[in-house]
Amino acid sequence: AQSVAQPEDQVNVAEGNPLTVKCTYSVSGNPYLFWYVQYPNRGLQFLLKYITGDNLVKGSYGFEAEFNKSQTSFHLKKPSALVSDSALYFCAVRDRRYSSASKIIFGSGTRLSIRP
Amino acid sequence: GAVVSQHPSWVICKSGTSVKIECRSLDFQATTMFWYRQFPKQSLMLMATSNEGSKATYEQGVEKDKFLINHASLTLSTLTVTSAHPEDSSFYICSARDRVAGGAGELFFGEGSRLTVL
Repeated sequence: AQSVAQPEDQVNVAEGNPLTVKCTYSVSGNPYLFWYVQYPNRGLQFLLKYITGDNLVKGSYGFEAEFNKSQTSFHLKKPSALVSDSALYFCAVRDRRYSSASKIIFGSGTRLSIRP
Repeated sequence: GAVVSQHPSWVICKSGTSVKIECRSLDFQATTMFWYRQFPKQSLMLMATSNEGSKATYEQGVEKDKFLINHASLTLSTLTVTSAHPEDSSFYICSARDRVAGGAGELFFGEGSRLTVL
């Protein structure tokens, strides 16, 4: 079975400071991993994904994430937070053993709040 | 990136009526689309997987006759909430994956549809 855990409901960071949003996963096989961001009353926007290769993945808006197989983690990071980064962030996983029609499992979401 | 258009963005209806929500992939083809429901301050709940040209696959606990899904073409899936009741009020979001990208492809999401049943 696949699962994703985002242990923090909320993360508060001062503008200009580095931020980390945590994500751990559980899949039987090798995962595809994704991060999405959601602004109020909007759909989700894709930030980045890990498929294979370099464990450090760079994505949109200066975000990056590091795939750590031994810790089964895929934490989202940004060196310097902006107030506009305040939003709801979702980590997601899909087991690559299954067909492309199979579903992606989402974490519970972490609300990121950046204070000026 | 690829664009998924979802319509309507907002809909208010009377209890007992049916509401149709459309999800279109504008610049790519999607053999599979996914319908989610999101409650306030909560994560996405997958309702069903919509497969082009075949029946949708519903998640456990989701009523097939209540939430009708049709995926008639590679660019369009519709969700019809039949005989809507106030408890069906929610934010519904569709997503699609470019069939060319296959399993490694990310999902592209519509902007969501806010349904309010009076």
